[in-house]
Amino acid sequence: DAMVIQNPRYQVTQFGKPVTLSCSQTLNHNVMYWYQQKSSQAPKLLFHYYDKDFNNEADTPDNFQSRRPNTSFCFLDIRSPGLGDAAMYLCATSRDGPRGRTNTEAFFGQGTRLTVV
Amino acid sequence: RKEVEQDPGPFNVPEGATVAFNCTYSNSASQSFFWYRQDCRKEPKLLMSVYSSGNEDGRFTAQLNRASQYISLLIRDSKLSDSATYLCVVNKPGGYNKLIFGAGTRLAVHP
Repeated sequence: DAMVIQNPRYQVTQFGKPVTLSCSQTLNHNVMYWYQQKSSQAPKLLFHYYDKDFNNEADTPDNFQSRRPNTSFCFLDIRSPGLGDAAMYLCATSRDGPRGRTNTEAFFGQGTRLTVV
Repeated sequence: RKEVEQDPGPFNVPEGATVAFNCTYSNSASQSFFWYRQDCRKEPKLLMSVYSSGNEDGRFTAQLNRASQYISLLIRDSKLSDSATYLCVVNKPGGYNKLIFGAGTRLAVHP
């Protein structure tokens, strides 16, 4: 059974039209991540939640926002998608380890492939 | 300097070959290390965690060298199904931990 579920798998949106991607988890992990991955590139961390605490990467555009209403769900909002935002968006979860210095491995959803037209 | 660096490859090897990938990381305080496998247009999946003493899982062996800040992955007796991109992942400790990915090394195993 899928433990990290992303919806939809494929999303087509118009240039400038807001879009929301969703992620849910059944692992009860305290950390949730959103990554953006473009073709042949590494997954790039956009932001992550440690419990309810939101942590934005310095180079994540303001166009990207996130919400985590509870432990299980996390949303990625793209306020005005541009052509350059077309990518695979990956949600992942992990459990922060003891001493605050380690992580367990990250579990990924299947991703949402976003196309901007 | 990138936080996690890998040789992008591709590594083209025949079936049965042994191939090794290295990955270097910049943060000496990192404590968690992983190798992930990613197939084309799919999500990354955990291949193995990397432990201080080194660890083996079947044909795969992972090593950690803290002094030189690199981890390695050795694949013995390569199979066609091993063709994929192998991603090195390292945690970045701080106020909040986060996992940082390398760009990946592409492996192509041919008959």
